[in-house]
Amino acid sequence: SQQGEEDPQALSIQEGENATMNCSYKTSINNLQWYRQNSGRGLVHLILIRSNEREKHSGRLRVTLDTSKKSSSLLITASRAADTASYFCATDMGETSGSRLTFGEGTQLTVNP
Amino acid sequence: NAGVTQTPKFRVLKTGQSMTLLCAQDMNHEYMYWYRQDPGMGLRLIHYSVGEGTTAKGEVPDGYNVSRLKKQNFLLGLESAAPSQTSVYFCASSLIRGETQYFGPGTRLLVL
Repeated sequence: SQQGEEDPQALSIQEGENATMNCSYKTSINNLQWYRQNSGRGLVHLILIRSNEREKHSGRLRVTLDTSKKSSSLLITASRAADTASYFCATDMGETSGSRLTFGEGTQLTVNP
Repeated sequence: NAGVTQTPKFRVLKTGQSMTLLCAQDMNHEYMYWYRQDPGMGLRLIHYSVGEGTTAKGEVPDGYNVSRLKKQNFLLGLESAAPSQTSVYFCASSLIRGETQYFGPGTRLLVL
């Protein structure tokens, strides 16, 4: 089963609205990362939040982490059509997982102009 | 800097043929990874490397081999392609274990 699972699988909003995506995971982590993937392209790193952090901001992005609930959320404020993409969370479970990140299946965000 | 590059961008193979996918990075990263991405399944790690001359198995290594003869290059080989290997393959690299990974643009592989 997936370590990271995103919710919802798909989200459609109007330009200017906020978009919230959630990620749940099963085991303890060192950090959790969010990536964006535009159609037909590689993944691009957005933000990394460590297990001892609760919230992090980067421009219009806000990420929260609740280690007691094993969940994270990505908020994109004032969305734009250019934000249309798939968003993935990825978890680092530390040395026991080798050097791997475990990716979820992603949320497909569509921002309508 | 070019970042992470992958060649080829697209390839069609017949069942049983072999091929090598090349990944190159110019960021002097120690860690390199090969993933495959299939619809509805996210990214799955095939093999990875923690430095020149090292390789290790990931989540789905069967049917693939890798080599890291030079620090900047990570090669993924398919010795005898199967239709189940039809996928999009991504290479990534990172400076620090478990932290930000930088991805290449991907290679679309179709095995008939």
